[in-house]
Amino acid sequence: EVQLLESGGGLVQPGGSLRLSCAASGFTFSSYGMNWVRQAPGKGLEWVSGIMGSGDNTYNADSVKGRFTISRDTSKNTLYLQMNSLRAEDTAVYYCAKDFDPGVTTRYFDSWGQGTLVTVSS
Amino acid sequence: EIVLTQSPAILSLSPGERATLSCRASQSVTNYLAWYQQKPGQAPRLLIYDASKRATGIPARFSGSGSGTDFTLTISSLEPEDFAMYYCQQRSKWPPEGLTFGGGTKVEIK
Repeated sequence: EVQLLESGGGLVQPGGSLRLSCAASGFTFSSYGMNWVRQAPGKGLEWVSGIMGSGDNTYNADSVKGRFTISRDTSKNTLYLQMNSLRAEDTAVYYCAKDFDPGVTTRYFDSWGQGTLVTVSS
Repeated sequence: EIVLTQSPAILSLSPGERATLSCRASQSVTNYLAWYQQKPGQAPRLLIYDASKRATGIPARFSGSGSGTDFTLTISSLEPEDFAMYYCQQRSKWPPEGLTFGGGTKVEIK
């Protein structure tokens, strides 16, 4: 059974930094691309970042480009999101999500974690 | 950026009724479209991918159709557990930065 467990969320001041983690199990982690998708309170879903299974290539939404960095540690089966220069509009539940197809990066997401809440406020 | 517009925003129906949800893209996404279900306090769940293929474990009452710019999610007979939010999502082009979600349709009990 695929399990994804996010951690690292919390309250941070505008301009601050936070690192999210997502511990993965139940599948061959290195074979699948992984992603972060966020949901602001009471709002819809927004894809944030994606990374290929190999870790060779990463992709970011324009809204976070230059501020957020996605990475992965295959030895630990863990996905990360380093978030810098945080803004109020980054306040959201952040989900890690597994790619559906090992041959196609960041197209559909078939497994999701329970999410971790990031609140950016002074 | 490809914009996905879902309609209606809210669909009020009774258990046993048929639900028809629409998702319209601002330009063609061929058939690279998915549907997700989300219940309050839970993560989204993949229902349909490639416009019409059911994901593993999804009941047959859920079906998807369409191609190009117009897509439909149909729930043939609503069960109590189907009352939830539904989102469509596309990633038709490379690189993936163009991936977008629709604004969602809430299916509520009438």
